[in-house]
Amino acid sequence: DAKTTQPNSMESNEEEPVHLPCNHSTISGTDYIHWYRQLPSQGPEYVIHGLTSNVNNRMASLAIAEDRKSSTLILHRATLRDAAVYYCILSQGGTSYGKLTFGQGTILTVHP
Amino acid sequence: KAGVTQTPRYLIKTRGQQVTLSCSPISGHRSVSWYQQTPGQGLQFLFEYFSETQRNKGNFPGRFSGRQFSNSRSEMNVSTLELGDSALYLCASSLTGASGNTIYFGEGSWLTVV
Repeated sequence: DAKTTQPNSMESNEEEPVHLPCNHSTISGTDYIHWYRQLPSQGPEYVIHGLTSNVNNRMASLAIAEDRKSSTLILHRATLRDAAVYYCILSQGGTSYGKLTFGQGTILTVHP
Repeated sequence: KAGVTQTPRYLIKTRGQQVTLSCSPISGHRSVSWYQQTPGQGLQFLFEYFSETQRNKGNFPGRFSGRQFSNSRSEMNVSTLELGDSALYLCASSLTGASGNTIYFGEGSWLTVV
């Protein structure tokens, strides 16, 4: 499985933007980049995903490097509810049906 | 619309027993995946079902099994429970399971083996 590398932890202040980086240098052309987040004792929550172009939704933006070897999840204005573990995941095309390979993720702390 | 529903939410079993967990996917979703989450190993993929067929399987022993019904609902079973099976078991669903699909997770079933 293609691997992703994320910082173990990051901190932010409330109301400020947060940029969560992810490296995926072995990504292949058909791999989608997914971001999920997880609060304690809850299932992972979908945040955003993309293939080649930058993506925006009501939760966040995903900026994908031109060579696709890295991406950045952008939370435009962090709130205390955004404190969670954020996972950057590659889902491979082909026969990896329904399979997401989770790494350790980035623990995001948001200070009031 | 309703999300992924898992039952039971919490259960305690004794070593050697078996357990069955249930999952109802989002309406219209035909792919159901199962994951195990433990503090030591993190989130690990167990298996995926689509149209009642297992298409993908993780690296777990044969004690872990699953099935899917014609209405896309799924169950997973763990036989001969071991202490190390204590974990949060997560079910997830998507339209077809393809890599570009959004996968939605349930709240999970907390299993404690004593």
